[in-house]
Amino acid sequence: GIQVEQSPPDLILQEGANSTLRCNFSDSVNNLQWFHQNPWGQLINLFYIPSGTKQNGRLSATTVATERYSLLYISSSQTTDSGVYFCAVGPRSNTGKLIFGQGTTLQVKP
Amino acid sequence: NAGVMQNPRHLVRRRGQEARLRCSPMKGHSHVYWYRQLPEEGLKFMVYLQKENIIDESGMPKERFSAEFPKEGPSILRIQQVVRGDSAAYFCASSTGGSNGYTFGSGTRLTVV
Repeated sequence: GIQVEQSPPDLILQEGANSTLRCNFSDSVNNLQWFHQNPWGQLINLFYIPSGTKQNGRLSATTVATERYSLLYISSSQTTDSGVYFCAVGPRSNTGKLIFGQGTTLQVKP
Repeated sequence: NAGVMQNPRHLVRRRGQEARLRCSPMKGHSHVYWYRQLPEEGLKFMVYLQKENIIDESGMPKERFSAEFPKEGPSILRIQQVVRGDSAAYFCASSTGGSNGYTFGSGTRLTVV
């Protein structure tokens, strides 16, 4: 099945710093989403981005489907950005399920 | 719009008991997905249901686990004869179809003692 790899696995930032999280996937997909799991365990949908670029406030994401990767940019990080960021893809055989990466654990220090 | 509602938030069961996890999708969503998250791991797909139909159960363990989404009422994930390895967070998501617009519930954290 399709493989999803995220890097780095862990990231520690000082408040105000910028960061880039990467997601590589092993096969063509028709769906790619980024999620944030906060320290209380809640999963928040950040972007639906099977291709192209989107921005939402301090966050933006770019997916290059032909090269099978996606990037999540966090600018001017805040302590509330801490948590785990997951990339999830929907295979082309799509039944609606998502395949998740192992996540990037981000800690933003004040 | 209350979002995807899961209950209970926390569930403790002794080995051998049954666990029932409930999920009410967002209003207007007829597609429900269940995922399991083991400690320190990502989410793993379990099952995809529409009203009264199981569409994809490729991630469900072959034994002790079942899921339903009846015409009326919430979707239910049922785990019979729980074992310690079933301890995990179980998340439900709903959508209007396909994978776009996925919305997750807050999860049920199952602890088997």
